Amino acid sequence: AQSVTQLDSQVPVFEEAPVELRCNYSSSVSVYLFWYVQYPNQGLQLLLKYLSGSTLVKGINGFEAEFNKSQTSFHLRKPSVHISDTAEYFCAVSVFSLSDSSYKLIFGSGTRLLVRP
Amino acid sequence: NAGVTQTPKFRILKIGQSMTLQCAQDMNHNYMYWYRQDPGMGLKLIYYSVGAGITDKGEVPNGYNVSRSTTEDFPLRLELAAPSQTSVYFCASSYPLGGDTEAFFGQGTRLTVV
Repeated sequence: AQSVTQLDSQVPVFEEAPVELRCNYSSSVSVYLFWYVQYPNQGLQLLLKYLSGSTLVKGINGFEAEFNKSQTSFHLRKPSVHISDTAEYFCAVSVFSLSDSSYKLIFGSGTRLLVRP
Repeated sequence: NAGVTQTPKFRILKIGQSMTLQCAQDMNHNYMYWYRQDPGMGLKLIYYSVGAGITDKGEVPNGYNVSRSTTEDFPLRLELAAPSQTSVYFCASSYPLGGDTEAFFGQGTRLTVV
């Protein structure tokens, strides 16, 4: 079964410091990988996605992520965070299910990024 | 451009009551999903649909039912509300290609069962 692991439930960091949010996935087939952000009391919105090609993916708000197939990881990074980046971040995989020929979007448990002044 | 619209935003139910969470999208997406979000647990897939008239169970379907009579609407029904169903519910939709396209989320429905 496919799964997504986000080991860090909360990451506190000072403003303008770099940050890395970790994501590992398990899958026996090719996957599409996503990072979503959820600001307080809002729905989720897409930060970036990896489909194929270059393993370094750039997203909105200065975030980027690197796909590492050998380590089955898709860590999210930002070189300098702002107070406004305080939010919950979800890693997700979209996996094709042979049983019903459909895609399912599976989420990790989320990492709360807390940026302090 | 409305996107995905969920109603209501908040609701308090008594144990044993029933209700329907509404979800509508105006993007002509074939795929639609219902997730619940519990603290520290991420989002768990309840039900999903790949098109009108087609629905299937996700990871945590017990206690819920869905229907998909039109492309636009995907309501989620709770028949006998239980405290374990206290959660934030999100509806999402995506293009027919599904796998490589992003999902668009509604603002969520915060449900409390007392």
